[in-house]
Amino acid sequence: KNQVEQSPQSLIILEGKNCTLQCNYTVSPFSNLRWYKQDTGRGPVSLTIMTFSENTKSNGRYTATLDADTKQSSLHITASQLSDSASYICVVSRSSGGSYIPTFGRGTSLIVHP
Amino acid sequence: DVKVTQSSRYLVKRTGEKVFLECVQDMDHENMFWYRQDPGLGLRLIYFSYDVKMKEKGDIPEGYSVSREKKERFSLILESASTNQTSMYLCASRPGTRGTDTQYFGPGTRLTVL
Repeated sequence: KNQVEQSPQSLIILEGKNCTLQCNYTVSPFSNLRWYKQDTGRGPVSLTIMTFSENTKSNGRYTATLDADTKQSSLHITASQLSDSASYICVVSRSSGGSYIPTFGRGTSLIVHP
Repeated sequence: DVKVTQSSRYLVKRTGEKVFLECVQDMDHENMFWYRQDPGLGLRLIYFSYDVKMKEKGDIPEGYSVSREKKERFSLILESASTNQTSMYLCASRPGTRGTDTQYFGPGTRLTVL
């Protein structure tokens, strides 16, 4: 079964601190893995995308890693800011009949306190 | 700038009513998606369309149908709304069939079925 598991479910950190979010998946055949940020009341916005051959991708203070062998990914946030408070969603897409079908994780809710 | 709009931000309907949720994108994208998002469950794919008049079932199509008569518009239909369809509904579009293409999400419609 195609599944994406994220941990932790929620996380509270102080402003300026770093944190790492985890994503494990069983999606097959693997096409790509993407991390989204979803602010409250808004649709998700893409942060990074990695294909099978990529093992790290950065977007400002966000750095994603991918280990395709162990089917694990992480999202590292450096020097957190209050605006980082959001839900972070891991999405793994599989190829199917010429199209690409995404499977979403349940998300990690991050709260950054001043 | 890609824009995906949804017809309503909030909607309240009664059990048994027929409900239409409309989604419009202005970037000539080929692929469009409908998701529902529930607390603790993440986003789940209801239906997607990779071309005009084409549709494919996602993970939870039961109780829903879709229509794509024009490229820019993708409608989600609840033939007879039920209380368990109370949820946040998110529409997304994607340029084409490349797996690495980004999905762009609308702001969501929060539907309450009484």
